[in-house]
Amino acid sequence: DAEITQSPRHKITETGRQVTLACHQTWNHNNMFWYRQDLGHGLRLIHYSYGVHDTNKGEVSDGYSVSRSNTEDLPLTLESAASSQTSVYFCASSEWNEQFFGPGTRLTVL
Amino acid sequence: DQQVKQNSPSLSVQEGRISILNCDYTNSMFDYFLWYKKYPAEGPTFLISISSIKDKNEDGRFTVFLNKSAKHLSLHIVPSQPGDSAVYFCAASARAQGGSEKLVFGKGMKLTVNP
Repeated sequence: DAEITQSPRHKITETGRQVTLACHQTWNHNNMFWYRQDLGHGLRLIHYSYGVHDTNKGEVSDGYSVSRSNTEDLPLTLESAASSQTSVYFCASSEWNEQFFGPGTRLTVL
Repeated sequence: DQQVKQNSPSLSVQEGRISILNCDYTNSMFDYFLWYKKYPAEGPTFLISISSIKDKNEDGRFTVFLNKSAKHLSLHIVPSQPGDSAVYFCAASARAQGGSEKLVFGKGMKLTVNP
C-alpha cells in the first residue's frame, strides 16, 4: 500500500545545530508539504513543492529550507535550530486538494 | 490575519447525540473546503470535503454544510461515537486561483464524545 513516512519520529537537539527531518512518500504525488503544529496555532505551512526541483516558501519559512531532488522525498532542514522551532512537524503529499499526512516528527530544541 | 477560523477550541457531547463543529473563513476566493480528523501522536486524516458549488455533502454519519454568503461551514456528526473523540481541523483552498493544492488550516477543535 502507498504511504507517507517521516523519520525520525522523535528528535532532541541543541540550539545552533543543523537538523534534517526526512519525508518519503510512495503515492507518486507531485505535491509535497511541510507543516508545523503548535498549540493555539493549528497547522502552519512551512515549505511546499509542486514537483522535482520546485520549492516554495510557506507562511512560516524563516529558518527552514527544503530541496526536492526526486518525486518521493522532501527533506526539511533547520539550518541552525532555535528553541522556537520546538514543535511537531508533519509532512503531507497530494495530487489535488486532499492531502495525505505522515505520522509526524516531534522535535525538541534545548 | 487568520483566514480560516475555528472559534471554539473544544466541544463535549454525549454518545449518540449530534456534534456540530463550526468554521468561518474570510477569503472570498476560497472555493473548496475540507475537514480533517487528528488523533494524538498521529497525522491528520482526511474526513470529508465540499466544493463551493454545493451547499451540502454527506458521507455516512458525517455531513458538511456550506453557507457561502455567511462564509461559514459546519460539520455534523450523527450519531456521535466515542471513537470520534479527536481534534478536527477545517481547511480551505482557492482552486480557481491556481496553486489550489495549498490548504489553509484553522487552529483545530477538540471533540470529546462521552460514553
